[in-house]
Amino acid sequence: GNSVTQMEGPVTLSEEAFLTINCTYTATGYPPLFWYVQYPGEGLQLLLKATKADDKGSNKGFEATYRKETTSFHLEKGSVQVSDSAVYFCALSEGGGFKTIFGAGTRLFVKA
Amino acid sequence: GAVVSQHPSWVICKSGTSVKIECRSLDFQATTMFWYRQFPKQSLMLMATSNEGSKATYEQGVEKDKFLINHASLTLSTLTVTSAHPEDSSFYICSASGTANSPLHFGNGTRLTVT
Repeated sequence: GNSVTQMEGPVTLSEEAFLTINCTYTATGYPPLFWYVQYPGEGLQLLLKATKADDKGSNKGFEATYRKETTSFHLEKGSVQVSDSAVYFCALSEGGGFKTIFGAGTRLFVKA
Repeated sequence: GAVVSQHPSWVICKSGTSVKIECRSLDFQATTMFWYRQFPKQSLMLMATSNEGSKATYEQGVEKDKFLINHASLTLSTLTVTSAHPEDSSFYICSASGTANSPLHFGNGTRLTVT
C-alpha cells in the first residue's frame, strides 16, 4: 500500500540556518503530495502542496519539489526562524479521493 | 480560506461518562470528514472516515461502539466517546475536505482528559 517516510526528529537548528526535512513516498501513480505543520496544542495546517510530478510547492519561505525519479518531496527553507518551531508532516492523498496518508512527523526546534 | 471549527478545545470528564466532540465546516460543504487520534509526540492515527448521511467507516482496531460518529449534515460531524476511560485520554483532531485530492482542513483539536 501507499506510505510516507520522513526523517526522524527532533531536528534542532539555530536561527537563520538552512532546513531540510526529508520525505519519500511509495505510491501507485503520482498522487498529490502535501506538507502540513502543527504548532503546539493545535491542529494541522496546510503548509504547501504539489499536485503532480515536477511541481514545486512554496509558502512562507518553505519549498518542496515533487520528484518522481527519487519518489521524494523534501521540505526546505533557506533561513529558519524561532517561530518555525513545530512538527512537520509529509502526506499524500490516495485512492483518487479524500484519504490522506501521513508520515510520522518531524519535530523542529529553532534556537535563538 | 476554508475553516473547520472543532469544539470543545479541551474537556475533562470522569470515567464512565460520555463526551461529544463537534466538527463543523464553516464556509464549505464537507461530504467527508475524518477523525484522528494523536498520542503525545506521535503522528495522527486515522480512526474513522465520516460520510454525510451514511455510516462511518472505521479503521481496523477502532471500536465503533465506543467511538460513535454521526455526520448528519454537510457541515457537521460529531464524535462521541462513550463510557470514557483514562486510556481514552488523548488529542482528537477532525479534518474535512470539499473535493477529492484537495488539501485537508483541520480543526484545532480537542484534548480529552478522563479522570
